[in-house]
Amino acid sequence: QVQLVQSGAEVKRPGASVKVSCTASGYNFGNFRIAWVRQAPGQGLEWMGWISGYNGETKSAQSLQDRVTMTTDTSTGTTYMELRSLRSDDTAIYYCARGVDSGRLGMDYWGQGTLVTVSS
Amino acid sequence: SYDLTQSLAVSVALGQTATITCGGNNIGNENVHWYQQKPGQAPVLVIFRDTNRPSGIPARFSGSNSGNTATLTISGAQAGDEADYYCQVSGTTAWVFGGGTKLTVL
Repeated sequence: QVQLVQSGAEVKRPGASVKVSCTASGYNFGNFRIAWVRQAPGQGLEWMGWISGYNGETKSAQSLQDRVTMTTDTSTGTTYMELRSLRSDDTAIYYCARGVDSGRLGMDYWGQGTLVTVSS
Repeated sequence: SYDLTQSLAVSVALGQTATITCGGNNIGNENVHWYQQKPGQAPVLVIFRDTNRPSGIPARFSGSNSGNTATLTISGAQAGDEADYYCQVSGTTAWVFGGGTKLTVL
């Protein structure tokens, strides 16, 4: 069965970086994109970006493109999202999700979420 | 950037029909997806590409998309349908979520 398993919760200081992992299993990793979505406390969903499992192509939200980097390790089916220069408003649950047909059919499987807390 | 507008909250009587809308400029030309999110849980895809239900999603969930409005309809709403609902568009340059609608089943 398809599973996306994310790394554990993180606590970071303002100005630091965080790297969250998402390990996929149960499907051909190269056939799908992995998207990153975050949700601040009590707020809605915010798309951060996606990375292709096939060729590593990435696209990120304009508001984050200077601070976010997404990478993949195809040998393990793991995707990484690194966010730099953390601020208090980066405190959120970060989700990875599988994008079907380059996203044209939505995101059908989601990770369990990783809570990132930014606090001095 | 492409903006999607959702009502903050919708309420529906148990067993009645709930309608949740998502507004966007010519959204009828886009593929619209809908997600259900219950407290403390990851989102779940309930409608993809405007009108399609993933396996396991009850038939009471349906979608439509035309002009400047996409719609999620829940026919015969149940208590378990109480959740936040988000529309989403996967464009060629960016993917966007609406602000979300809180559905209350009375």
